[in-house]
Amino acid sequence: GDSVTQMEGPVTLSEEAFLTINCTYTATGYPSLFWYVQYPGEGLQLLLKATKADDKGSNKGFEATYRKETTSFHLEKGSVQVSDSAVYFCALSDPFSGGYNKLIFGAGTRLAVHP
Amino acid sequence: DAGVTQSPTHLIKTRGQQVTLRCSPKSGHDTVSWYQQALGQGPQFIFQYYEEEERQRGNFPDRFSGHQFPNYSSELNVNALLLGDSALYLCASSSGTGWGDEQFFGPGTRLTVL
Repeated sequence: GDSVTQMEGPVTLSEEAFLTINCTYTATGYPSLFWYVQYPGEGLQLLLKATKADDKGSNKGFEATYRKETTSFHLEKGSVQVSDSAVYFCALSDPFSGGYNKLIFGAGTRLAVHP
Repeated sequence: DAGVTQSPTHLIKTRGQQVTLRCSPKSGHDTVSWYQQALGQGPQFIFQYYEEEERQRGNFPDRFSGHQFPNYSSELNVNALLLGDSALYLCASSSGTGWGDEQFFGPGTRLTVL
C-alpha cells in the first residue's frame, strides 16, 4: 500500500541555519504531495504542495520539489527562524486509492530552532 | 470567513463509553474527512463523507461511525471506547474529492479514555 517515510526528529537548529527534512514515498499511481505544519496545540496547516513530477511547491521561504525518479519530496528552507519551530508532516494523495483525496501522512518531524 | 471548527476541544471518557465529536466545514466546502492522530504520530485516515454518504474508509473498526448532515457538517461516533482510542481527532474539509484538492484542518478534539 501507499506510504510516506520521513526522517526522524527532533531536528535542532540555530536561527538562520539551513533546513532539510527528507521525505520519500511509495504509491501505486502518481500522487499529489504535500507538506503540512502543526504548531503546538493547533491543527494542521498546509505549507506547500506539488501535483506532478518536477513541480516545485513553495511558501514562506520553504520549498520542496517533486522528484518522481527518486520518489522524494524533501523540504528545505535557507534560513530558519525560531517561529518555524513546529512538527512537519509529509503527505500524499493517490488518485489510484479510490479516486478521492484521502491523505496518507508520514510520522512527522519535530523541528526546534533556538536563537 | 470561519475555517473548520470542531467541538468539543477536549473530552474525557471511560472505557466502554460512547462519544460523539462534531465538525463544521469551511464555508463553501462539501466534503469532510476525519483523521486520528495518536501522540507522536502522523494522522491516520478514518473516513470521508460527501453528499451525506461515506465515500472512503480507512482501516478502522466498525466502532467508528459517522454522519454528514445536509448543511455539510459532520459527526464522528466511537462506541465501546478503548484506552487506545485516546488521540487527537482531526476534521478536514475540502471542496470536492479530487486527489489534488487541498484539505483544510480544524484544531482537533483531544479525546482521553481512562
